[in-house]
Amino acid sequence: ELKVEQNPLFLSMQEGKNYTIYCNYSTTSDRLYWYRQDPGKSLESLFVLLSNGAVKQEGRLMASLDTKARLSTLHITAAVHDLSATYFCAVDTQGAQKLVFGQGTRLTINP
Amino acid sequence: NAGVMQNPRHLVRRRGQEARLRCSPVKGHSHVYWYRQLPEEGLKFMVYLQKENIIDESGMPKERFSAEFPKEGPSILRIQQVVRGDSAAYFCASSPVHSSGNTIYFGEGSWLTVV
Repeated sequence: ELKVEQNPLFLSMQEGKNYTIYCNYSTTSDRLYWYRQDPGKSLESLFVLLSNGAVKQEGRLMASLDTKARLSTLHITAAVHDLSATYFCAVDTQGAQKLVFGQGTRLTINP
Repeated sequence: NAGVMQNPRHLVRRRGQEARLRCSPVKGHSHVYWYRQLPEEGLKFMVYLQKENIIDESGMPKERFSAEFPKEGPSILRIQQVVRGDSAAYFCASSPVHSSGNTIYFGEGSWLTVV
């Protein structure tokens, strides 16, 4: 059974700092997704990572994928308050037909 | 192009009543997925449907829950005789016929509260 684990689950940081969220998964995957969720809202797609060594960046967020280590990272550079949210990684092993989500990382960025 | 539309957004039901949640996928998408999110948890897969067919319902409870995606109209997730433990956010997602690494699009969710 595929398992996806994120850490940390809770992260409180100051504006301007850098930090990384880790996503480990237990079996071979076709795709890895990162989503952002604000309280009471739906999931906003951030990145789709398709292959080993893939790196994608959008603003202050950068995601990478190491399929050999079964590890993805979401790196936050010079955090700003607007990035406060819960971040989920999700892994797909059946061609986008069934995502398995991590527990989520609740990120709070303090001014 | 409208995104995935779900309704109702919020639904309150008494124990024993039925809850019916609707999902209209992105125009042109024929694959629909339902996920459930319990408070403070990640999303859990429930069911995957194509038009008129249930492809994978391995995440759906065996009793009281059913889903359909008819030829015409939205996909429906139906929960009969709701219990307090059914209180959750239910998200619908859709993808196109040939999903070549594109994102799965999620709806805004339907928040069910059972009192």
